[in-house]
Amino acid sequence: EPEVTQTPSHQVTQMGQEVILRCVPISNHLYFYWYRQILGQKVEFLVSFYNNEISEKSEIFDDQFSVERPDGSNFTLKIRSTKLEDSAMYFCASTAAYEQYFGPGTRLTVT
Amino acid sequence: GDSVTQMEGPVTLSEEAFLTINCTYTATGYPSLFWYVQYPGEGLQLLLKATKADDKGSNKGFEATYRKETTSFHLEKGSVQVSDSAVYFCALSGSGGSYIPTFGRGTSLIVHP
Repeated sequence: EPEVTQTPSHQVTQMGQEVILRCVPISNHLYFYWYRQILGQKVEFLVSFYNNEISEKSEIFDDQFSVERPDGSNFTLKIRSTKLEDSAMYFCASTAAYEQYFGPGTRLTVT
Repeated sequence: GDSVTQMEGPVTLSEEAFLTINCTYTATGYPSLFWYVQYPGEGLQLLLKATKADDKGSNKGFEATYRKETTSFHLEKGSVQVSDSAVYFCALSGSGGSYIPTFGRGTSLIVHP
């Protein structure tokens, strides 16, 4: 069964550094998403992406964040200057309809 | 806006006990409803879904029925196992044409042998 994959599974970075989280969505899906989950809290929507542009974003997705689909398969989330409060699990998801398929997540730890 | 309310956790049960996790929602239009499960250290996995009123989603012994009249989608399982210990998230999407799901806060289930 096709699945969404994410790399790395765990990323440790120092405050102020840039990180790029990578996702490979399911190949025939058209909508892509990033979510985050701070430890023990609810899953929060960050951004959705369709037709090579952002279609919706939350207030969490400020100027420090950007997304890109650099080729036909990868979908990336970049955090330009990480803060301690960016420490969270980041999930990528893709969909062809209303059902979203989630990747296993990248745990980002900012020290 | 849309919202999903789940019962507070943790829910602690003995193996083979009956499970109910309550979920109610507020939405415009006719959303699809989902239950996701998150096992320790893993991502979200779709457990079951229902796309219209009176539909029953089922998977791995879990069931939930889309009740439009009570705006509910309660998760049930007749006999839980230790391996069911996880966090369960109720979610909706498709309300007002948006694909973005709205999640509940999650309910932690702990099953003891």
